[in-house]
Amino acid sequence: AQSVTQLDSHVSVSEGTPVLLRCNYSSSYSPSLFWYVQHPNKGLQLLLKYTSAATLVKGINGFEAEFKKSETSFHLTKPSAHMSDAAEYFCVVSARDDKIIFGKGTRLHILP
Amino acid sequence: DAGVIQSPRHEVTEMGQEVTLRCKPISGHDYLFWYRQTMMRGLELLIYFNNNVPIDDSGMPEDRFSAKMPNASFSTLKIQPSEPRDSAVYFCASSLWSGSTDTQYFGPGTRLTVL
Repeated sequence: AQSVTQLDSHVSVSEGTPVLLRCNYSSSYSPSLFWYVQHPNKGLQLLLKYTSAATLVKGINGFEAEFKKSETSFHLTKPSAHMSDAAEYFCVVSARDDKIIFGKGTRLHILP
Repeated sequence: DAGVIQSPRHEVTEMGQEVTLRCKPISGHDYLFWYRQTMMRGLELLIYFNNNVPIDDSGMPEDRFSAKMPNASFSTLKIQPSEPRDSAVYFCASSLWSGSTDTQYFGPGTRLTVL
């Protein structure tokens, strides 16, 4: 069985400060892990994905995430937040049986 | 490519009416997914297809929901009869190959309101 937990439903940061969105997963197999972003009234868009290659994954718009097997975590980070980063972010886990599990989402607020 | 196309973008209907949502995946993609998003339940996978064949429909809430994919470029999600609790945003997504490890490309969604 697999599951994904996004530890914060809301995160607020000031523009120009670092962003950290936390995600923990559990999986019986080697997982594939994704972060998607959803801007208001839009569909989801892939930010980055991990599929058993390099543990530090770089994505679009300056985001990156590190796969830590020992901590079963895949936290999303960005060094400096921009107003346009305000959105909802979803952590996703999937495994070889093709089950895809979405987290509940973390809404990121950027303070001016 | 125009991306995943969904229609209509908004649908308002009355309880008991039939509702049909439509999706055109990205050309050449083998997998197609239907999701439902609500504030209470978040994003839920309803059903997905591989090469037009339904693979997993365990997320379909009940018999009032049905989905078809008559060809590689078109899919429908039908609700009959509709109920107010079906109000949600319904997303269609497609991926090039493996449903579990490949990037999914999402459409803009259909916002359904059942009165």
